[in-house]
Amino acid sequence: EAGVTQSPTHLIKTRGQQATLRCSPISGHTSVYWYQQALGLGLQFLLWYDEGEERNRGNFPPRFSGRQFPNYSSELIVNALELEDSALYLCASSSDRSAHSGANVLTFGAGSRLTVL
Amino acid sequence: GQNIDQPTEMTATEGAIVQINCTYQTSGFNGLFWYQQHAGEAPTFLSYNVLDGLEEKGRFSSFLSRSKGYSYLLLKELQMKDSASYLCAVKDSNYQLIWGAGTKLIIKP
Repeated sequence: EAGVTQSPTHLIKTRGQQATLRCSPISGHTSVYWYQQALGLGLQFLLWYDEGEERNRGNFPPRFSGRQFPNYSSELIVNALELEDSALYLCASSSDRSAHSGANVLTFGAGSRLTVL
Repeated sequence: GQNIDQPTEMTATEGAIVQINCTYQTSGFNGLFWYQQHAGEAPTFLSYNVLDGLEEKGRFSSFLSRSKGYSYLLLKELQMKDSASYLCAVKDSNYQLIWGAGTKLIIKP
């Protein structure tokens, strides 16, 4: 069974540009989560999609957005890039459609490393 | 605010035992997770604790004390492949995962 796949592996952009990151969840998983992992910091929750709808978002500005497609794959779009957006962006999927399940285990992709110059 | 504290880095010797601590202050508690993340790879699930006590899974064990806001991950018979970052995460009252910054574990021969 294929795991969570993310593309691109690495992406270099300049300030003000837009970055688009992609994620394909495990087959059968309907929930997709996006996290930002900056150097030395914990994972910061960005967005949660389920069944094509945005269910929750973290404390990030509106220039961070995304969507989920009918096949449950997802895109994270970062507009007007800033230097501080340089980080590893991790996507995770889950078969549990309810965030209210305590033991909701996430399966992560290897991430997309975004560098903003 | 919500906070998860873990040591930044630890060093241990192959074959030994190491305990990685995690303390948390969150608005509510609905479970605590440990994940392992090798450099350049995806985090992978290790353990889940929601009740007080010790959960053992092979060489790895995880302990939880809800009254103390404390957990630890115990790794026995350390192997070189255990060199990785270990992430502690707590699910709060809104069922949101709050993550620690991770503990980088270095294993020396």
